[in-house]
Amino acid sequence: ILNVEQSPQSLHVQEGDSTNFTCSFPSSNFYALHWYRWETAKSPEALFVMTLNGDEKKKGRISATLNTKEGYSYLYIKGSQPEDSATYLCASNSGGGADGLTFGKGTHLIIQP
Amino acid sequence: NAGVTQTPKFQVLKTGQSMTLQCAQDMNHEYMSWYRQDPGMGLRLIHYSVGAGITDQGEVPNGYNVSRSTTEDFPLRLLSAAPSQTSVYFCASRITDNQNTEAFFGQGTRLTVV
Repeated sequence: ILNVEQSPQSLHVQEGDSTNFTCSFPSSNFYALHWYRWETAKSPEALFVMTLNGDEKKKGRISATLNTKEGYSYLYIKGSQPEDSATYLCASNSGGGADGLTFGKGTHLIIQP
Repeated sequence: NAGVTQTPKFQVLKTGQSMTLQCAQDMNHEYMSWYRQDPGMGLRLIHYSVGAGITDQGEVPNGYNVSRSTTEDFPLRLLSAAPSQTSVYFCASRITDNQNTEAFFGQGTRLTVV
């Protein structure tokens, strides 16, 4: 079982500010790193799936980077908006096996108007 | 396109009762899985299936059974409910068991065992 850690656990950000948070994971036998956005009363939705060291992906104001050698990924949100308020989950796995992703506990982001 | 559909959305059980949580997907995904979400913890894998007729245990399988008779359906059975099984349950599917494919989640089932 992997140990996937996310920090911070929660974050309050003023509307319009940019922010970022971290996911760390074991770098050995790394195969993929996932980011999901989870709004209250909804189901988690995929933001990014990254596999290569140095990967950078972007979707609108949200972007993510991946460092597989040191075992971390950053998620960035530029110009935060109230609709960005959600819990952001990362998940990783080792070895590409079928035994599922291991999720972190999430970063709960609250955007204050 | 319905995606992943879970029923029921809410359920209250008495200790010792059995029930089945339903999960269906219409995307022809090979891989399906069940997770539970508890306060202060990440999503934890209960069981998974890489295709019809194939199932395997995840991190927390005790007290749960699954079957995969069709590609579309992956029900989760609680044989004798216990208060420790009070949780929010999510079903998820992926197109294959390849770990670089994104997961699609159902809306969740909030289960309370009293």
